[in-house]
Amino acid sequence: ELKVEQNPLFLSMQEGKNYTIYCNYSTTSDRLYWYRQDPGKSLESLFVLLSNGAVKQEGRLMASLDTKARLSTLHITAAVHDLSATYFCAVDMRYYGNKLVFGAGTILRVKS
Amino acid sequence: EAQVTQNPRYLITVTGKKLTVTCSQNMNHEYMSWYRQDPGLGLRQIYYSMNVEVTDKGDVPEGYKVSRKEKRNFPLILESPSPNQTSLYFCASSLGGREQFFGPGTRLTVL
Repeated sequence: ELKVEQNPLFLSMQEGKNYTIYCNYSTTSDRLYWYRQDPGKSLESLFVLLSNGAVKQEGRLMASLDTKARLSTLHITAAVHDLSATYFCAVDMRYYGNKLVFGAGTILRVKS
Repeated sequence: EAQVTQNPRYLITVTGKKLTVTCSQNMNHEYMSWYRQDPGLGLRQIYYSMNVEVTDKGDVPEGYKVSRKEKRNFPLILESPSPNQTSLYFCASSLGGREQFFGPGTRLTVL
């Protein structure tokens, strides 16, 4: 059974600081997604990482994928309050019922 | 506008009263799925469908049914809801092997 572990589960950080969210998974997959969710809202796709070594950046967020280590990271640079949300990683298991297997989510609070 | 829609968005019901949550997509996607979101557990797949009349169980199918009579629609049926089915439900659709698009969510409370 695939397990996806995110850490930390809760992150409180000051504006302007940097931090990294980690996503470890237990079986082979070549594709991983990062989503953002605001309270009461649906999932917003942030990044699709399609291969080993993939790195994508959008604004203050940068995501990477190491399929050999089964690890993805979401790095936050110079956090701002607007980044406060819950972030999920999801491992693509499209050959097994076209499903995504999600981590538990990281609740990020950026304090002014 | 390409989208996945769900109805209702909010529902409070009582134990044992059958309900259906509808899901519709306008992107001609073959694949559709239902997920439930619970605190600390992320999202978990309930059922999925690869095309019309083709459905199968996901990771947490107990207490749920689905049907896929038309390509655009994929309703989720709770024949006898129980309090442990109180959750936030998302429908998603995709082309085969491509990124999934999520609906706005349905918050269900079973008393």
